[in-house]
Amino acid sequence: DQQVKQNSPSLSVQEGRISILNCDYTNSMFDYFLWYKKYPAEGPTFLISISSIKDKNEDGRFTVFLNKSAKHLSLHIVPSQPGDSAVYFCAASEYNNNDMRFGAGTRLTVKP
Amino acid sequence: DVKVTQSSRYLVKRTGEKVFLECVQDMDHENMFWYRQDPGLGLRLIYFSYDVKMKEKGDIPEGYSVSREKKERFSLILESASTNQTSMYLCASSFGQGAWGYTFGSGTRLTVV
Repeated sequence: DQQVKQNSPSLSVQEGRISILNCDYTNSMFDYFLWYKKYPAEGPTFLISISSIKDKNEDGRFTVFLNKSAKHLSLHIVPSQPGDSAVYFCAASEYNNNDMRFGAGTRLTVKP
Repeated sequence: DVKVTQSSRYLVKRTGEKVFLECVQDMDHENMFWYRQDPGLGLRLIYFSYDVKMKEKGDIPEGYSVSREKKERFSLILESASTNQTSMYLCASSFGQGAWGYTFGSGTRLTVV
């Protein structure tokens, strides 16, 4: 049973608009959440993270929001750029553990 | 530039063969991981290791084993390859406590025929 779920396999947005990628988790022991970005033929690369003591973390165009009571997090990209087109994976772990669990990924396409 | 290197980008093997997937990191990381990536399922953890000669089962260890004889090298072994092990395999490493510092390799696409 997947502990981290991304229910939207794909998302298409226009350049300059906001992209919102969603993620849900079931394990209440998770307290550290990350987003990874993956281009074809490359391994995933770390994008942004958030710990459970915060409800928002921002890094440039990327903001992650965490709603612990709903076991939900989201990644906002504003403004979206064509170079953001990739597969985005949500991941979660218990802070003192070294292993992560990943969602199925959402393929984002940003149209010029 | 720090790296996680997977020895093969593409691999085709026959059913029943013993398959070795090699992963080497040059960052002196303690922790190493093997995941497989399948459409609709994302990345699933097969095995991981916190130190030389140590290994831990992930979520889907059946049909796989691992070897970590040296700190920089973590091998995934398919004892008798089957067609349902056709997948993209990703190796990652990280330093210390906490999962934030993963560095991934580029992946090995394995096809079992």
